[in-house]
Formats: sequence, C-alpha cells, structure tokens
Amino acid sequence: GDSVTQMEGPVTLSEEAFLTINCTYTATGYPSLFWYVQYPGEGLQLLLKATKADDKGSNKGFEATYRKETTSFHLEKGSVQVSDSAVYFCALSDQIQGAQKLVFGQGTRLTINP
Amino acid sequence: DGGITQSPKYLFRKEGQNVTLSCEQNLNHDAMYWYRQDPGQGLRLIYYSQIVNDFQKGDIAEGYSVSREKKESFPLTVTSAQKNPTAFYLCASKAGSNTGELFFGEGSRLTVL
Repeated sequence: GDSVTQMEGPVTLSEEAFLTINCTYTATGYPSLFWYVQYPGEGLQLLLKATKADDKGSNKGFEATYRKETTSFHLEKGSVQVSDSAVYFCALSDQIQGAQKLVFGQGTRLTINP
Repeated sequence: DGGITQSPKYLFRKEGQNVTLSCEQNLNHDAMYWYRQDPGQGLRLIYYSQIVNDFQKGDIAEGYSVSREKKESFPLTVTSAQKNPTAFYLCASKAGSNTGELFFGEGSRLTVL
C-alpha cells in the first residue's frame, strides 16, 4: 500500500542554519504531495504542496520539489528561525479503495535554538 | 471566518465510559475525517465520510463510532471497547474538487484516568 517515510527526529539546529527534512514515498498511483506543520498543542496546517512531477511547492521560505524519479519530496529552508520550531509531516494524497485519502509520515520534530 | 471547530479541547474520562468528540465545519466541504495522533507517531485514520449519511472505516476503527447526519457535523464516539483511548484526536475536512488538501481543526486531547 501507499506509505510515506520521513527522516527521524528530533532535529535541532541553530538559528539561520540550513534545513533539510527528507521524505520519500511509495504509491501505486500519481499522488499529490504535501508538507504540513503542527505547532505545539494545535492541529495541522498546510505548509506547501505539489500536485505533479517536477512541481515545486513553496511557502514562508520553505521549498520542496516533487521528484518522481527518486520518489522524494524533501523539505528545505535556507535560514531557519526560532519560530519554525514545530513538528513537520510529509503526506501524500491518492485514490485508495475508491476514496481520496491522505497518508502521513511519522512526523519530524524540529527545534531551533537562538 | 470559515474553519473547523473541535470541542472540547481537553477531556478526561474514567475507564468504561463512552465519550463523544464534536467536529463542526462551515467550509461547505463534502468529506470529513477523524485521525488519531500518538506521541512520536504519524496520524492514523479512524473514520472518514465522503458525503452525508455515509461513512467508512479507516485503518484503526475498532472501538470508535461516528455519524454524519448533517454536512457540517461529524462527531466521533470513543467507546469503552477502545483499549488505549488516551490520544490527541484531529478532525479534518476536504472540498470535493481539490487535490486532496485537508483542513484541520485544533484537536481534542482525551485522557483516560
């Protein structure tokens, strides 16, 4: 079945460091790919998305490119801030058993120190 | 403002009691979902509904029940049959025509004493 694998956390960086969170996926169809962010005690918010191969999603300085050849959707940011501390989830959306479903990775906790 | 409202935000329950979590949306979305989140794990799908008066089991439906009598509402009941009910529960909705993006509520944290 479809699945998403993220790099294990927690990840701790200093402010202004470069961030990469790896995400790879397995899917039978042609999924859309997403990054969601969860701040402490809150629900998930969509950070960015890409709907087809070679698309680049971007938002708030974060970027991710849909790489079909490597089945990857790695999240990057050039200079992180303390306010970026959160849990990040990679997800794919695919038609599974006749319904559109989201499959999530296990999440990566990111902590940015000043 | 449109959005998804979950209540209560925190809930405590004794073992053997059923509890119902509320989820209301005013986004006019057709599909609604319930996920469970445990520490260090991803989200696991409990139930989903693509249309009023219809719902389907997700990956971990045992010990849970839902109803979808109105488009705006998708309550989740955690029954006494659920072995490990302490968790963070997230409700989400999705418009019918988009690429799969979900909109989430702020969650309900259930603790069984």
